[in-house]
Amino acid sequence: SAVISQKPSRDICQRGTSLTIQCQVDSQVTMMFWYRQQPGQSLTLIATANQGSEATYESGFVIDKFPISRPNLTFSTLTVSNMSPEDSSIYLCGGTGGSGYTFGSGTRLTVV
Amino acid sequence: DQQVKQNSPSLSVQEGRISILNCDYTNSMFDYFLWYKKYPAEGPTFLISISSIKDKNEDGRFTVFLNKSAKHLSLHIVPSQPGDSAVYFCAASAFMDSNYQLIWGAGTKLIIKP
Repeated sequence: SAVISQKPSRDICQRGTSLTIQCQVDSQVTMMFWYRQQPGQSLTLIATANQGSEATYESGFVIDKFPISRPNLTFSTLTVSNMSPEDSSIYLCGGTGGSGYTFGSGTRLTVV
Repeated sequence: DQQVKQNSPSLSVQEGRISILNCDYTNSMFDYFLWYKKYPAEGPTFLISISSIKDKNEDGRFTVFLNKSAKHLSLHIVPSQPGDSAVYFCAASAFMDSNYQLIWGAGTKLIIKP
């Protein structure tokens, strides 16, 4: 399986600021995804990152709040914009290309 | 509306015995099912999967069973080992409305007792 490096691993951010999370894959993956896991809840898919085009967002998530880039098959970024305390969560990127899925190690975001 | 349900938030099993983790789903369009294992402070790691055209898939100590008529799948771990203590997520996937979707259960925390 591919290995995904995700950074930052954690951050504490001020309300109203933005944070960009990066995921770098060591090999090409067909599909990349961004998830959010809030405390006590299951993973929630935010969007599918499409190479060279706009991401496909799930219901309840919009591009203005969570802009995503995927310039090639091995790299993607998620920006959490204009943050509020409700955005405090773990954010995960994931990818699939061969057998099974691989996930990054997650970014623990705290908004104060 | 939870399409993938893991009704047991936690499960405690004696080391060496069989661990059985259950997952129910409601959407008949799901065509691929996956189990993930997650340790604290780490991302989930892929464990085993099964296509909807099969009813069993085995990989070492891990076996996944799929009962499509009951919309139920289970993960069997035998024998259970202390390193198996983790949270286990089941997930189901399908192409719906021209989008690839992956729906997750809430997870079951497995505790292996020595």
